[in-house]
Amino acid sequence: QQQVKQSPQSLIVQKGGISIINCAYENTAFDYFPWYQQFPGKGPALLIAIRPDVSEKKEGRFTISFNKSAKQFSLHIMDSQPGDSATYFCAASMVGNGQGAQKLVFGQGTRLTINP
Amino acid sequence: EAGVTQSPTHLIKTRGQQVTLRCSPISGHTSVYWYQQALGLGLQFLLWYDEGEERNRGNFPPRFSGRQFPNYSSELNVNALELEDSALYLCASSLGTTTSQSPLHFGNGTRLTVT
Repeated sequence: QQQVKQSPQSLIVQKGGISIINCAYENTAFDYFPWYQQFPGKGPALLIAIRPDVSEKKEGRFTISFNKSAKQFSLHIMDSQPGDSATYFCAASMVGNGQGAQKLVFGQGTRLTINP
Repeated sequence: EAGVTQSPTHLIKTRGQQVTLRCSPISGHTSVYWYQQALGLGLQFLLWYDEGEERNRGNFPPRFSGRQFPNYSSELNVNALELEDSALYLCASSLGTTTSQSPLHFGNGTRLTVT
């Protein structure tokens, strides 16, 4: 029940296209859903995050769509660029749980390649 | 602002040995987290320290342990190394204990290879 399932494992998109990565969770107590971006040789960096009280959050070319009833959320990268090529991780946590507030549960990652 | 720093960057150990990994959080951050990133398995939560105390640990055996020092830096110790311990060990820090208010900032990790 603590799992976050992420798909696809790898994704190839042409420059200028839309990249879509999906995640699903089981634990309805999760109430914070961040996405992290990781370049080779670097640690993950927070890209964008959403709370379940909104269905969509947009920051520049990056958008999170959240479907609470389906327990799914997705990352959309508009106008994908070669510099977006990286591994993307979705994650979830229970902010309201003081003991585990920072215990982020990560998906398995998606290796995104943007072809020029 | 200096980011989260980890040392060493790479480490090769033999099965059965012990290893200590080190992490310095961003200045002012009091919480430190350790994650294991094994190939194909995403990031697995190991340990969380805040204000010098262990607040939570993931589903790892007791041979994985750590501590946080008064200056908020942290060590991760792994005893009796096994081949499957080969992974990238990531340290992260945050300003507080509420994820949405203070996101995790990750270091670049220590690559541990057990032979």
